[in-house]
Amino acid sequence: GDSVTQMEGPVTLSEEAFLTINCTYTATGYPSLFWYVQYPGEGLQLLLKATKADDKGSNKGFEATYRKETTSFHLEKGSVQVSDSAVYFCALSDNSGNTPLVFGKGTRLSVIA
Amino acid sequence: DTEVTQTPKHLVMGMTNKKSLKCEQHMGHRAMYWYKQKAKKPPELMFVYSYEKLSINESVPSRFSPECPNSSLLNLHLHALQPEDSALYLCASSPFYQALRYGYTFGSGTRLTVV
Repeated sequence: GDSVTQMEGPVTLSEEAFLTINCTYTATGYPSLFWYVQYPGEGLQLLLKATKADDKGSNKGFEATYRKETTSFHLEKGSVQVSDSAVYFCALSDNSGNTPLVFGKGTRLSVIA
Repeated sequence: DTEVTQTPKHLVMGMTNKKSLKCEQHMGHRAMYWYKQKAKKPPELMFVYSYEKLSINESVPSRFSPECPNSSLLNLHLHALQPEDSALYLCASSPFYQALRYGYTFGSGTRLTVV
């Protein structure tokens, strides 16, 4: 079945450092891909998405590019802030419509001043 | 209105209590979901409602009883829970059951503690 694999955390970075969180997927067909963020004590918020190969999703300085050839959707940010500390979930939607959203296990990011 | 509203935000209940969690959305979405999230884990799907009909029940114990009174409301009735049921309960919605290119919109969750 469909699955999402994220890099193991936690990830600890200093403020203004470059961030990469790796995400790879296994799916039949052409899924849509998402990054969700969960701040402490809150629900999940959609951060960005990409619905077809080579699409780049972006929001709040975060970017991710849908790479079909490497089945990847890595999250990047050029300069992280303390306020970016959160758990980040990569997810996919099987566009055949037969299964609900599939989540990765999440990556906890801590940014220190 | 682009929100999913969950109430209450926090709930403490005894193992013999009956309580309900409420979820509301006014985005015209026709699919609604309940998830359970334990600490440091991803959300686990519990139930899916599509057009107010139960579409998926992920083998959830009967002490959790969902209800969808109309297209905007989703309830989760709780009875005789166990301490291991303590978790963050998340509600979500999407335009249709198939997440497709839309993804889901999540509420802030209800933090449930069973004592």
